Amino acid sequence: AQSVTQLDSHVSVSEGTPVLLRCNYSSSYSPSLFWYVQHPNKGLQLLLKYTSAATLVKGINGFEAEFKKSETSFHLTKPSAHMSDAAEYFCVVSEGAGGFKTIFGAGTRLFVKA
Amino acid sequence: NAGVTQTPKFRVLKTGQSMTLLCAQDMNHEYMYWYRQDPGMGLRLIHYSVGEGTTAKGEVPDGYNVSRLKKQNFLLGLESAAPSQTSVYFCASSSPGTSGGYEQYFGPGTRLTVT
Repeated sequence: AQSVTQLDSHVSVSEGTPVLLRCNYSSSYSPSLFWYVQHPNKGLQLLLKYTSAATLVKGINGFEAEFKKSETSFHLTKPSAHMSDAAEYFCVVSEGAGGFKTIFGAGTRLFVKA
Repeated sequence: NAGVTQTPKFRVLKTGQSMTLLCAQDMNHEYMYWYRQDPGMGLRLIHYSVGEGTTAKGEVPDGYNVSRLKKQNFLLGLESAAPSQTSVYFCASSSPGTSGGYEQYFGPGTRLTVT
């Protein structure tokens, strides 16, 4: 069975400092992994995805994530936080075709201080 | 190109009332999904569809029904609403990505309150 754990429910950073949002997963197969962002009262938007190609994945708005199979992790990073990055972030693991076996993490709320 | 749209955006129901949420997508996607989002629990899959005329149960299907009569539309019905169904409902659609994976495109959500 697959699962996903976001290790922090809240992360607070200052504008201009690095961002690290942590995600661990478990899967019986070679999963696809995603990070989505949700701004207040909005739907979810795809930041980036890993699908067994390069282990370092670059996404939109300067975010990137590294797939580490040995550590079963898929942490999201950004070198320099911007106020507009304040949102909730979801780590997602998906097995097989069709996206039906998709599990969402509980989310990490990112706060950015001026 | 509107992507995924949901109707209505907000709704308040009394216990026992029924309603239908409408999801529409204009991306010609085969797969569509209904999720509910509750605080601290991420999104949970209610029902999904692999194509026109087909539906299947997800993780939390009880109390909901769905229909997909047209490829672009996916309807979620509540026959007898209960306070436990107070939630934010998201519709999504997807198709195979060019590099693999099924990235999902989400609608803006419907906030439902059952009193």
